[in-house]
Amino acid sequence: AQSVTQLGSHVSVSEGALVLLRCNYSSSVPPYLFWYVQYPNQGLQLLLKYTTGATLVKGINGFEAEFKKSETSFHLTKPSAHMSDAAEYFCASLESSYDKVIFGPGTSLSVIP
Amino acid sequence: EAQVTQNPRYLITVTGKKLTVTCSQNMNHEYMSWYRQDPGLGLRQIYYSMNVEVTDKGDVPEGYKVSRKEKRNFPLILESPSPNQTSLYFCASSLRGQSNQPQHFGDGTRLSIL
Repeated sequence: AQSVTQLGSHVSVSEGALVLLRCNYSSSVPPYLFWYVQYPNQGLQLLLKYTTGATLVKGINGFEAEFKKSETSFHLTKPSAHMSDAAEYFCASLESSYDKVIFGPGTSLSVIP
Repeated sequence: EAQVTQNPRYLITVTGKKLTVTCSQNMNHEYMSWYRQDPGLGLRQIYYSMNVEVTDKGDVPEGYKVSRKEKRNFPLILESPSPNQTSLYFCASSLRGQSNQPQHFGDGTRLSIL
C-alpha cells in the first residue's frame, strides 16, 4: 500500500534562509507526486507536481522539488524564506493505477524575522 | 472564477442531530472527494465519486454518507454525528480520466460535535 511520510511536523527557519521540507513515499511503482500549501483558514493550494520527465520540478512562489527514485523522496526547497511562506505543507502521492491521493501528515513551517 | 464552495464554514452542533455539509464546484469536474483533516494525521479520504451516481468509500467512511445526484454537487451527510467526528472537512474536485490532475479544494468546514 502506498504511503507518504514527512519528516518533521514543525520546521522553523529564519527569514532569508533555505527552506527544506522532507517527503518520502512508498509505492510499488513511481507515483505522481504533489506538494500542496495550506494557509490559515483556507483550503489546500497546489505548489507543484511531478508526473513524468524532468525530475526537478519548479512551482509557484519560488519553490521547487526534486524527485529521486533511488531515495523514494520528493523534498521541497526554497532558497530564501519569506515571512509569507509560513503555512502548512502537505506532500501527496497518487499511483497512476488508482484514483486515490494519499496525503502525508503535513509540516508546519514557521519563518522567524 | 473556478472554485469549490463548501457550506457552512463553521458549525457547532450536538450528538445525534443530523447535519449536511454541502459542496459545489463550477469546473465541470467529474471527480469529487471528501477529506477530514486532523492534527498529525494529514488529510484522510472519507468518500469519493468518479461521476454522477458513482460513489465509493475512502479510508474513513464510517459514520458518513454521500450522494452524487448532479455533477456539480457532492454533499456530505452525518446521520448521527458523534464527538469523534469533530474535525476540519474539505471537499475537492478534479478532472476524471487524467489521474495526474491536481485537486481543487474548498476552504473547509470546521465541525464541532458536542
